Amino acid sequence: DVQMTQSPSSLSASVGDRVTITCRASQDISNYLAWYQQKPGKVPKLLIYTASNLQSGVPSRFSGSGSGTDFTLTISSLQPEDVATYYCQKYNSAPWTFGQGTKVEIK
Amino acid sequence: EVQLLESGGGLVQPGGSLRLSCAASGFTFNNYAMSWVRQAPGKGLEWVSVISSTGSNTYYADSVKGRFTISRDNSKNTLYVQMNSLRAEDTAVYYCTKFRLSGWLDDAFDMWGQGTLVTVSS
Repeated sequence: DVQMTQSPSSLSASVGDRVTITCRASQDISNYLAWYQQKPGKVPKLLIYTASNLQSGVPSRFSGSGSGTDFTLTISSLQPEDVATYYCQKYNSAPWTFGQGTKVEIK
Repeated sequence: EVQLLESGGGLVQPGGSLRLSCAASGFTFNNYAMSWVRQAPGKGLEWVSVISSTGSNTYYADSVKGRFTISRDNSKNTLYVQMNSLRAEDTAVYYCTKFRLSGWLDDAFDMWGQGTLVTVSS
């Protein structure tokens, strides 16, 4: 099975900072990659699909890129409401594996 | 408005069984594949199972294969998972999720229910 590895596991950044999270697949998954945001105590929410497409209603400061095995989620200007854990997920075929998550905090 | 409402969680002894339900509304349920995802306390997301829109195709994580059975009743707009031979490591919040596009399995999950907690303990 394809493994999904995120880095870092956690990060602390200041409001306004540019934040980048990386997700690496152990095999080529083309662009079948989604990003989810889970705020503390809340339900996960789809942010990005097909590696770079922003889900409706998601602020434009979020962006995704990559293809094949290496992907990134970028928050262009970190806001207090972005405190959350972010997960990548592959969906080219079963299993629909998630990365282990990246916890983003405000410094 | 799309809604997914899980029910059926609770406390069960190791080796016991439980059936979770997910009532869907606000979309044409029988057009969409559905999935269960779980999250153990303080841990990350773990995909559990997927069922195609017609119910003819099902998929399971290795951790639950042979113990869990996903099903759906399109006449009732309801998704189920029958969980047997439960173990302590099955303790988690179980989320019902909807695939983003009609008829597709290679897609992201665009809607999530609020989740139902399953606790396996003696």
